[in-house]
Formats: sequence, C-alpha cells, structure tokens
Amino acid sequence: DMQMTQSPSSLSASVGDRVTITCRASQTISHYLNWYQQKPGKAPKLLVYAASSLQSGVTSRFSGSTSGTDFTLTISSLQPEDSATYFCQQGFRTPYTFGQGTKVEIK
Amino acid sequence: EVQLVESGGGLVQTGGSLRLSCAATGFMFSSYEMNWVRQAPGKGLEWVSYISGRSSMTDYADSVKGRFTISRDNAKNSLYLQMNSLRGEDTAVYYCARDFGSYDSTGYLRRMDVWGKGTTVTVSS
Repeated sequence: DMQMTQSPSSLSASVGDRVTITCRASQTISHYLNWYQQKPGKAPKLLVYAASSLQSGVTSRFSGSTSGTDFTLTISSLQPEDSATYFCQQGFRTPYTFGQGTKVEIK
Repeated sequence: EVQLVESGGGLVQTGGSLRLSCAATGFMFSSYEMNWVRQAPGKGLEWVSYISGRSSMTDYADSVKGRFTISRDNAKNSLYLQMNSLRGEDTAVYYCARDFGSYDSTGYLRRMDVWGKGTTVTVSS
C-alpha cells in the first residue's frame, strides 16, 4: 500500500504566522493528493484537492503545492480558527491512505 | 442542504456484528461513489471501504476484508456497512463520505467532499 508521511506531527505558531505542512508519498501519485482539516469531535473537512485546487467555500488563506512526490499545505496567515489537525490523503488508487496528521496549535 | 447522517453504532462484544447506515439527503445519491472511513480513539483516519454508484464495484482495506461488507440502496438514498467478527481494533468513529470525482487534462481527480458526523462503534470483550 502507498504510504503517506506527514511532517511535522505537531507545531505551535502565532496568529499571523505562515505555516507549512508537508506530506510525502511513497510512490508517484501525480497530483492526486487531498488535504483535510479536522477539529476535535468533528468530521474532517476537505480543504484542497488535486494538490493545489481550493475546495469551494474554503478561505484563500489555505493553499497547496507539489514538487514531485512532496506536497505542501500552507496557511498564509494563521488564525485562531485554524487550530486543528490536518491530514493529507492520496486519491490515486484504493486503498486510499492518509498521512498520520499534523496538529496545529496557536501560541 | 447536502447531508450525510450515520447511525447504527454502539457497544458490541468481540466476535459480534453490527450494521451501520448512512442516510444521504440533498444530492442525487445514485450518481456518487461512497466510502466508509474510520478513526480509532486518538488516532488518524483510516479508509475502510468503497462502493461505486450502481454497486458494481466495491473495495476494502485489508484490515476488514472478509469481515465487512459495504452495500447501498439507491431507492432509499442509503449506504450500509455490515460488520461481522468484530475485534477490539475495530473500535472507532465510523464516517461515511461522498467520493466526488472530476476530470482534468491528466485524469480523474477523486476527493471525499462531504462527510457525516460519524457513529461510534465500541468493541469490548
């Protein structure tokens, strides 16, 4: 199965900071990579699909990019409501696999 | 409003069975592929199963293959997950999620764009 490795596992940043989360695929997945945000006790929410396409209704503070098998989710200016855990997921083929998650906390 | 609502979770003994349901509203259910995804307490997300719109294709994670069965009833706008031979490691919140696909110049892009709130399954000896 394809492995998705996220880093870091957690981070703490201040409001207004630029935050970057990385996800690496164990195999080539082209741009079939999605990002989700999950707040405690809630369902995941789709943020970015196809590596860099912003899901409808999601703030433009979030953006995604790719370089080979490395994918990046960027929060341009961290806000208090962005405190959550973020997961990447490969949509290349089943079994769909997720990264282990990155917990983002506000300082 | 597009919505998915899971039900059927609960406490079950090791080796027991449970059937989860997911009711879909606000969209043409039969036109969409669907997934089950689970999350063990304090852990990450794990994809469990997939079904195509007309039930012609299904797929399962190795961890549940042979024990879980996904199905759907398009007339009832409902998705199901029959879980047999349950184990402690099946304890999790189970989410149903809509599989949305679109084409670009390179291929078919899949993502899970609508999620239910989840239903909790606890397997205890």
